[in-house]
Amino acid sequence: EAGVAQSPRYKIIEKRQSVAFWCNPISGHATLYWYQQILGQGPKLLIQFQNNGVVDDSQLPKDRFSAERLKGVDSTLKIQPAKLEDSAVYLCASSAREGRETQYFGPGTRLLVL
Amino acid sequence: DAKTTQPNSMESNEEEPVHLPCNHSTISGTDYIHWYRQLPSQGPEYVIHGLTSNVNNRMASLAIAEDRKSSTLILHRATLRDAAVYYCILRDPIVAGSYQLTFGKGTKLSVIP
Repeated sequence: EAGVAQSPRYKIIEKRQSVAFWCNPISGHATLYWYQQILGQGPKLLIQFQNNGVVDDSQLPKDRFSAERLKGVDSTLKIQPAKLEDSAVYLCASSAREGRETQYFGPGTRLLVL
Repeated sequence: DAKTTQPNSMESNEEEPVHLPCNHSTISGTDYIHWYRQLPSQGPEYVIHGLTSNVNNRMASLAIAEDRKSSTLILHRATLRDAAVYYCILRDPIVAGSYQLTFGKGTKLSVIP
């Protein structure tokens, strides 16, 4: 079974530029999560989708971050414009269905904002 | 905020057992205790979870105190590949049937050859 795929793996941009990250969850997984992990800290949930609907985006900085999951499969997380403090690893995870505990994580995208 | 307390770091010798503690004094009756680990430059991976009884799987064992205010993840024979950050997490229900994981800083386990 293929795992959660993310791209790109690394991205370097200058502040005020835009960037987008892509996630392909495990086939058939209904729930998709985006996390932000700053160096030395645990992952912080940004947004959770159930199929193509948002379950929780309370920690997503909506003035600059946006996310979508069209057709309930792939997802894109965008930052526009980026700030220095957005430098982090962005992790995508999926789980089989609503209420299933186990989350499967992708390798993450490491973003550096200069 | 994470509702668990873990030591920042621990060391273990290779091939010896490792006991990773976690305190969760404010745990509710319906909170499950989850453990995930994160190897260097990888995303977290599920290790084990439990509610009240001790649990075993191929990766580890989870010992839960009778009052559920603490738990211990047990790696029976540490290998170099077990060097990682281990997160103890209480599952937070937000809507019926849908659950979030709130990560703290975890315990960084170093394994000495």
